[in-house]
Amino acid sequence: AQKVTQAQTEISVVEKEDVTLDCVYETRDTTYYLFWYKQPPSGELVFLIRRNSFDEQNEISGRYSWNFQKSTSSFNFTITASQVVDSAVYFCALSDLWGSGNTPLVFGKGTRLSVIA
Amino acid sequence: DSGVTQTPKHLITATGQRVTLRCSPRSGDLSVYWYQQSLDQGLQFLIQYYNGEERAKGNILERFSAQQFPDLHSELNLSSLELGDSALYFCASSVESGDSTDTQYFGPGTRLTVL
Repeated sequence: AQKVTQAQTEISVVEKEDVTLDCVYETRDTTYYLFWYKQPPSGELVFLIRRNSFDEQNEISGRYSWNFQKSTSSFNFTITASQVVDSAVYFCALSDLWGSGNTPLVFGKGTRLSVIA
Repeated sequence: DSGVTQTPKHLITATGQRVTLRCSPRSGDLSVYWYQQSLDQGLQFLIQYYNGEERAKGNILERFSAQQFPDLHSELNLSSLELGDSALYFCASSVESGDSTDTQYFGPGTRLTVL
């Protein structure tokens, strides 16, 4: 069975600090995909990144970076020099390749990040 | 803007009533997913349609049903509503290219309040 665990329920940082959001996943499949979504206070879910199980390269996009480690089944997300606009709930999610399509997303419980000015 | 639209944005109704939530996927996307976000259950998958056919079912109650129409828009019908059905309902769409998992793009959600 698939499972995504985000152990940090809430994190609070001061602006310009770096912060890492943890994500640990479980799946029996060898081909799978990991995602991060952001849910700002306005409520929509915004896609941030997708990573497949065969690509363990870290990725950096501006102040955002992601560290994927299959050995520890983790896909952590770091925000460098955090800003107040980064305040949101962040969700990690998992999907498998199933037949000719995708399995629905399995989400973690989310981490609420508060960045204080 | 993800390109996925959902209406209405807010819905307030009473217990026992029936409501219909509507979703229009991004242009070119064949697959539509419905998710429910509640405080106690988090984000949970309800049901998926692909090109008009039901493809997968999650934790969807028997009081809930959905369909996808020939123009690919989808509707989620919730009946005999209970207080516990109050939640944010998201629709997501993806291309479903078949050779890899596509990204699901989410609509803004419909916030349902059952009084």
